[in-house]
Amino acid sequence: AQRVTQPEKLLSVFKGAPVELKCNYSYSGSPELFWYVQYSRQRLQLLLRHISRESIKGFTADLNKGETSFHLKKPFAQEEDSAMYYCALIRGNQFYFGTGTSLTVIP
Amino acid sequence: DAGVIQSPRHEVTEMGQEVTLRCKPISGHNSLFWYRQTMMRGLELLIYFNNNVPIDDSGMPEDRFSAKMPNASFSTLKIQPSEPRDSAVYFCASITGRQGYTEAFFGQGTRLTVV
Repeated sequence: AQRVTQPEKLLSVFKGAPVELKCNYSYSGSPELFWYVQYSRQRLQLLLRHISRESIKGFTADLNKGETSFHLKKPFAQEEDSAMYYCALIRGNQFYFGTGTSLTVIP
Repeated sequence: DAGVIQSPRHEVTEMGQEVTLRCKPISGHNSLFWYRQTMMRGLELLIYFNNNVPIDDSGMPEDRFSAKMPNASFSTLKIQPSEPRDSAVYFCASITGRQGYTEAFFGQGTRLTVV
C-alpha cells in the first residue's frame, strides 16, 4: 500500500536557521513525489517535485530510495516560509498526502 | 483559466441541515478529488473521480456524505444531515495528467462550520 508519513506535526525554527521537514514513503514501484505548501488560509500549491530536481524559494528535496525519504530542506529559513507543508506521492492519477507539518519561523 | 473554483467559500449551518459544496475543475482535467482538512487529521481524501466516475470513495466517513460528478465541469459534495464534527475546510482538486507532468491543482476551499 502507498503511504506518506510526516512525523512532525509542528516545527519551529528561528529566522536564518536551517530547516528540514521530514517525509518518508512506502511504495512498491518507482515513486513520483511532491511537496505542496499552504500559506495561511490559502489554497495548497505545488512547491516542488522530485523529477524536476529544482530549487524553489530556496527549498530543495532529494529523493533517497534507500531510506525511502524525500525530506524538504532550506539552509536559511525566512519568516515568509511559515506555512503548512504537505508531502505527496502519486500513483496513477491518485495523490496520497501526508498529514502535513506546520512550520513556524520565529523572527 | 481561473483555476479550480469552489463555492461557497464559507458556510455556517445548523446541525441537522443539508450542506452542498460545489466544485468546478480546470477544463480538460479528467481527475477530481475531494479532501477534508482538519488540524487533527491533516488532509484526508474523501473521494476520487476519474472521467466523472467515482473510483475510490473509501474515505467518505459515513453515509451522510455523498458526492456526484454529473459532468466534466462540475462536482458536488453533500452532507445530510450535517453534524458539528463535520466542521472543517473542504478542498477540491483536479489533476492534469499530461504525459511526463502531473500536478494537482487545488481550489480555495470551503470552510464549513456546523453549529
